[in-house]
Amino acid sequence: QVQLQESGPGLVKPSETLSLTCTVSGGSISSYYWSWIRQPPGKGLEWIGYIYYSGSTNYNPSLKSRVTISVDTSKNQFSLKLSSVTAADTAVYYCARLVMGDGYTQGIYYYMDVWGKGTTVTVSS
Amino acid sequence: QSVLTQPPSVSAAPGQKVTISCSGSSSNIGNNYVSWYQQLPGTAPKLLIYDNNKRPSGIPDRFSGSKSGTSATLGITGLQTGDEADYYCGTWDSSLGGVFGGGTKLTVL
Repeated sequence: QVQLQESGPGLVKPSETLSLTCTVSGGSISSYYWSWIRQPPGKGLEWIGYIYYSGSTNYNPSLKSRVTISVDTSKNQFSLKLSSVTAADTAVYYCARLVMGDGYTQGIYYYMDVWGKGTTVTVSS
Repeated sequence: QSVLTQPPSVSAAPGQKVTISCSGSSSNIGNNYVSWYQQLPGTAPKLLIYDNNKRPSGIPDRFSGSKSGTSATLGITGLQTGDEADYYCGTWDSSLGGVFGGGTKLTVL
């Protein structure tokens, strides 16, 4: 059974770079898409972006200029970097396995079937 | 302001049925599949419905999903107190990428 675990600093200073890693256990990172999602305190879910195991990426347009997602297949890990953070980036950050593809006549199928427990990141000096 | 519109809250008595709507547009729900997630208090979201109406293994058939045009609906029958949670719809948008609804808080009275 695949499990995901986020790790990284819980406190980041304004203007610095937030860095998180998601470790995949119980299965291979290959042949899947992997995604980052965040949830500010008391608010809803926001998609940050995804990476395919081969390295291709797609980011939320509102965060694209600050986001980098990378993958290390040898370690079964993928990572998130978010630069120039502000208090608005304070949130619980989740990593998830993404199932995505072309359903042809019915469009794109897109869902996250395995989620990490989440890690809280606070942006404060 | 979320791309997908959900009611902020719904409520019903134990044993009753409730529906949660998710409204979008032709750039998202109208031309792509919809998924639904349940987030119990203090926990990570959990996949409840995928591909509009399919349930992952382990999800009881009390939960159902449907889609019509640019809207989708999650239905829950035989409500239990353990169903109290936030529910989110999600899909792919041709311009924005992955999008979620704002979430609906279910209260079982």
